[in-house]
Amino acid sequence: EVQLVESGGGLVQRGGSLRLSCAGSGFTFSDYWMSWVRQAPGKGLEWVANINQDGSEKYYVASVKGRFTMSRDNAKNSLYLQMNSLRAEDTAVYYCARWGYYYFGMDGWGQGTTVTVSS
Amino acid sequence: QSVLTQPPSTSGTPGQRVTISCSGSSSSIGSNTVNWYQQLPGTAPKLLIYRNNQRPSGVPDRFSGSKSGTSASLAISGLQSEDEADYYCAAWDDSLNGVVFGGGTKLTVL
Repeated sequence: EVQLVESGGGLVQRGGSLRLSCAGSGFTFSDYWMSWVRQAPGKGLEWVANINQDGSEKYYVASVKGRFTMSRDNAKNSLYLQMNSLRAEDTAVYYCARWGYYYFGMDGWGQGTTVTVSS
Repeated sequence: QSVLTQPPSTSGTPGQRVTISCSGSSSSIGSNTVNWYQQLPGTAPKLLIYRNNQRPSGVPDRFSGSKSGTSASLAISGLQSEDEADYYCAAWDDSLNGVVFGGGTKLTVL
């Protein structure tokens, strides 16, 4: 069973930084692309970024390019999202998700971690 | 403003059939497959339909998906109270080089 557990969320001031982590288990972590998806309070889902199996390919939504960096450590079965220059509009629940190649979509999700950017 | 367009809400009574539409563009739905996600209240999303019309193991056959051109739809037949949730369509967008979601449709079972 796919298990993904996010951590690292919290309250941060506008302009500050935060690093989210996601621990994967129940599958061979290094075989999969991974994703971050966020959901602002009372709003819909927004894809944030994807990373390939060895971290050499990354894709970001335009609104976070240059501010967020996605990375992974396959030896630790862990995924990361370094968030810099945070804005109020980055306030959201951040979900880590497994990108299933066969499904061409997110086929496993964590429970999410909440990021609040105070202005 | 989401790249994919869904109605914000829909409703139905138990046993009824409802459909949720999802409209995109040539670079999104027109060029790539569509997935649907179900988000029950207070929980993480779950993959409901993949590659336009396929159901992951464990998803009841009451749920079905279809795609035509730059639009897709999700149908739920034999509506049950536990189907009350938010539903999102999603697809890769070749122009944006990323995943785009619909704004979500809140399904209420009356």
